[in-house]
Amino acid sequence: AQRVTQPEKLLSVFKGAPVELKCNYSYSGSPELFWYVQYSRQRLQLLLRHISRESIKGFTADLNKGETSFHLKKPFAQEEDSAMYYCALSGQGSYIPTFGRGTSLIVHP
Amino acid sequence: KAGVTQTPRYLIKTRGQQVTLSCSPISGHRSVSWYQQTPGQGLQFLFEYFSETQRNKGNFPGRFSGRQFSNSRSEMNVSTLELGDSALYLCASSPSGQMGTDTQYFGPGTRLTVL
Repeated sequence: AQRVTQPEKLLSVFKGAPVELKCNYSYSGSPELFWYVQYSRQRLQLLLRHISRESIKGFTADLNKGETSFHLKKPFAQEEDSAMYYCALSGQGSYIPTFGRGTSLIVHP
Repeated sequence: KAGVTQTPRYLIKTRGQQVTLSCSPISGHRSVSWYQQTPGQGLQFLFEYFSETQRNKGNFPGRFSGRQFSNSRSEMNVSTLELGDSALYLCASSPSGQMGTDTQYFGPGTRLTVL
């Protein structure tokens, strides 16, 4: 069975502070990991996927297979980063994602 | 390019009734997935359709069903509604449905309230 855990429901930081949203997963095969974001009054959208190894809006995430983690990081948070963030997992070649419960990030001015 | 559209946006039903929700994918996308989002269970995969065939199904009872038409538009149906079916139902489309390579585009959702 595949499972995604986001231990923090809420993360509150000040503008300019570093941000790390935690994601741990459980999967027996080769996972594909994703981060989705939902800004206020907007649709859920893909932020980044580990296979792309890209930085989007200053966010990066590294897949750590030893620790089964895929934490999302940004060195300097901006107010516009305030949103709900979801970590998701699927098996390679799969069409079925499993989502974490989400972490609400609030960036204070 | 027009985004994913879902109708209706809000729906109120009573227990025992049935409901049909509609999703129009982005033009050219052949895969449509449905999700249920609740405060208690989070975002859960319901099923995925590709070229009019249900290709994958999540762990939901048979009261939840769907279909896809030749123009890729999709509907999902919930029969014999229960209070616990109250949720936001999200639809997402992508070209092929492969999570690793495709980007899923989500609709705004249909908020279903069961009284």
